[in-house]
Amino acid sequence: NAGVMQNPRHLVRRRGQEARLRCSPMKGHSHVYWYRQLPEEGLKFMVYLQKENIIDESGMPKERFSAEFPKEGPSILRIQQVVRGDSAAYFCASSQTGVAEAFFGQGTRLTVV
Amino acid sequence: KQEVTQIPAALSVPEGENLVLNCSFTDSAIYNLQWFRQDPGKGLTSLLLIQSSQREQTSGRLNASLDKSSGRSTLYIAASQPGDSATYLCAVGINTGADGLTFGKGTHLIIQP
Repeated sequence: NAGVMQNPRHLVRRRGQEARLRCSPMKGHSHVYWYRQLPEEGLKFMVYLQKENIIDESGMPKERFSAEFPKEGPSILRIQQVVRGDSAAYFCASSQTGVAEAFFGQGTRLTVV
Repeated sequence: KQEVTQIPAALSVPEGENLVLNCSFTDSAIYNLQWFRQDPGKGLTSLLLIQSSQREQTSGRLNASLDKSSGRSTLYIAASQPGDSATYLCAVGINTGADGLTFGKGTHLIIQP
């Protein structure tokens, strides 16, 4: 079991470009969560997805951010027209159910220059 | 709105000491509580998960307790080792998984050889 896989590990984008972050959950897990960790701050919940459905996106900014978890393939967190304030570590977690133990990936560190 | 506080923010102790990390949360209507460890520039490693109906969980030298009514959890580390140096994060799950986990800002632990 390879665990939760995130790629890329590091991503550099210029202001105004798009960033795509990928997350493959653990085998057998159908619940995926995205979190953001800003420097010197704690992890903040962004969005909760199950296969093909967004369950809760209350933590995700309304503008420029979107997430999907298609029937086939990884979950994608997409940030359009990135700004410097988007620079952060983005973590994906997966679990078997909504209340089961959550397992985290290594994160994607996004730097906007 | 659920808030999670971890005390102390930082702790430095000599190797071999037993230590306690504290976590408190404002809303006792939680589904579970999870302790993680995060090494610099890395992802989160799940240490212990306590369901709301449980009082404690143990894994090796780690013991976590939960007092839901008072909104507190403690992580006890026995016979600390330099390899235990990391940031320890407490997170609570509410609302059957929706809203994800709410994290504290962590305790930065240094074990001196």
